[in-house]
Order: sequence, then structure tokens, then C-alpha cells
Amino acid sequence: GQQVMQIPQYQHVQEGEDFTTYCNSSTTLSNIQWYKQRPGGHPVFLIQLVKSGEVKKQKRLTFQFGEAKKNSSLHITATQTTDVGTYFCAASGTGTASKLTFGTGTRLQVTL
Amino acid sequence: DADVTQTPRNRITKTGKRIMLECSQTKGHDRMYWYRQDPGLGLRLIYYSFDVKDINKGEISDGYSVSRQAQAKFSLSLESAIPNQTALYFCATSDRDRNDNEQFFGPGTRLTVL
Repeated sequence: GQQVMQIPQYQHVQEGEDFTTYCNSSTTLSNIQWYKQRPGGHPVFLIQLVKSGEVKKQKRLTFQFGEAKKNSSLHITATQTTDVGTYFCAASGTGTASKLTFGTGTRLQVTL
Repeated sequence: DADVTQTPRNRITKTGKRIMLECSQTKGHDRMYWYRQDPGLGLRLIYYSFDVKDINKGEISDGYSVSRQAQAKFSLSLESAIPNQTALYFCATSDRDRNDNEQFFGPGTRLTVL
């Protein structure tokens, strides 16, 4: 089945530093989604990327979809303590837009 | 999201017991999913249903079964629970008419099998 690799597994930053998590697939993806899960909570949808090379921004968060539609990244500028949580990418293969394969997640810890 | 509810929220059971986890939604979505989450492994899809009469296996369906009793209800059963089914279980829904394919997750059920 489809596999989605996500790195790093864990990152600890000081507040104000930047953070990036990467997601890679060996197969071409139909689209990619990003979710955030706060400690003790459930995954919450952040965004979906569909087009090759697409870049979307949400305030301090920047999401990119690779030109070959096999990789994606989430970059947070100037992290805040409210960014703490685990970030998951979730990918759909071609023809299966609603069936997601989740990456293993990147746990972000932010300290003052 | 209070629109997707799961019961029970926590459950401790013994090896060999049958257990059912229930999921209900008031969002009117046609698509429902069951995932399990294990530390370091992310979320893995167990079963999914795109409509009341549609049931599909996910990547880890062995040892599990599901029932879609109505559009709003999707239950997950463990016929004979085993310790390696100890995990956090999430139900999710989505609407086929949404272009962004967003999935809405319930609060989760923490299951421990002794």
C-alpha cells in the first residue's frame, strides 16, 4: 500500500524559532492534507494542497506541494507556544481522494 | 468537534472479550472512517464507508469489523480483543461534496486490552 514518510519525528524549538516538517511519498499523490493534533486532542484539518508546486499560507504557516506531487512541507515562522502539538500530513493516491494515508507525524515542542 | 461523538471515551477490557466502539455524527456527512493511533505510527485506517451500504477495508482491518447502521452511525467491533489492539481509536467523517476533502475527527476512544 501507499506509504508516506514524515520527518523529523520530533523537534524542540525555542519560541520565535522557525520549524519545518517534511512529507515524502514514493508515488504521485492526488492531493495532500495537513492536520494538527494538540496533546490529548484529536486531529484537526489545516489545509489541502492539490496542484503541482502549490504554495498556501495561513498566517505564520506556509504549506508547499512539490512539483512532482510526491512531497510536501509545512513551515512555521516564529513559533509560539500555541503551536505545540503533532503535525500530520495525509495523502491521497490518484483516484482515491477521500481515502487518506497518514504520515507518522512530527511532534513539535516549543519552550520560552 | 462536538458534531462527531464517540462512546465510550475510555475502556479497559480483557483478552478475548468482544467490544464495540460507537461513533455518531450530526454533520450530515455521507463518509465515515475508523482509525487507530499508536505512538510513532501515526493514524492507520481500519475501515471506511462512503455510504450506508458501502463498507471497505482499510490497511489494518484484521481482527476488526464494522457496521454502518445509518448515515449518522458507524460502529467498530473487536470480536475477540487482544493486547496489541490497545490503542487510541478515532472516528472521522467527511462530505463528498466538499472540494477540500476535510475529515472531521471525534474525540477518540482510548482502549486498553489486558
